[in-house]
Amino acid sequence: AQSVAQPEDQVNVAEGNPLTVKCTYSVSGNPYLFWYVQYPNRGLQFLLKYITGDNLVKGSYGFEAEFNKSQTSFHLKKPSALVSDSALYFCAVRLNRGQNFVFGPGTRLSVLP
Amino acid sequence: NAGVTQTPKFRILKIGQSMTLQCTQDMNHNYMYWYRQDPGMGLKLIYYSVGAGITDKGEVPNGYNVSRSTTEDFPLRLELAAPSQTSVYFCASSSLSGNEQFFGPGTRLTVL
Repeated sequence: AQSVAQPEDQVNVAEGNPLTVKCTYSVSGNPYLFWYVQYPNRGLQFLLKYITGDNLVKGSYGFEAEFNKSQTSFHLKKPSALVSDSALYFCAVRLNRGQNFVFGPGTRLSVLP
Repeated sequence: NAGVTQTPKFRILKIGQSMTLQCTQDMNHNYMYWYRQDPGMGLKLIYYSVGAGITDKGEVPNGYNVSRSTTEDFPLRLELAAPSQTSVYFCASSSLSGNEQFFGPGTRLTVL
């Protein structure tokens, strides 16, 4: 069965510092991996995805993520955090187009001014 | 292009009442999904549909029903509301390539 873990409930970072939000997954096969962001009282918004190809993928708002097959990880990163990046971040996985998405529990990111 | 729209935004139900949460998408997506999000938790899949006339259960289908008579609409029905169904409900859709999902703004439901 597919599963996604986000080992940190909360990540705090100072504005201007680099940020990392961690995600590990468990699937039997080649995964499709996604990051979504949720601002208060809003639906989830797509940030980026890894399907195949380059292990470093770039997405919206300056975010990027690195796929590491040996460590089964897909950590979200940004070189310089903004206060406006404060939100709830979800990692998700699916095996192929015929499978449903499985979401992680979410990590709350707080960027402090 | 409105994307995915959901109505109502908020609703309070009494135990045993019924209601339908509406979801419409204007992107001609084949796949549609209903999730619930409980406080501090991730999303759990209730039902999904791969096209008009086809629906299937997700992880937590008990107490809910769906239908998909058109590509655009995917309503979620609660027949006998229970306090355990207090949650925020999100509808989402994706294209046939099935990559990223597009989410609606959510419906906050409280059952008292």
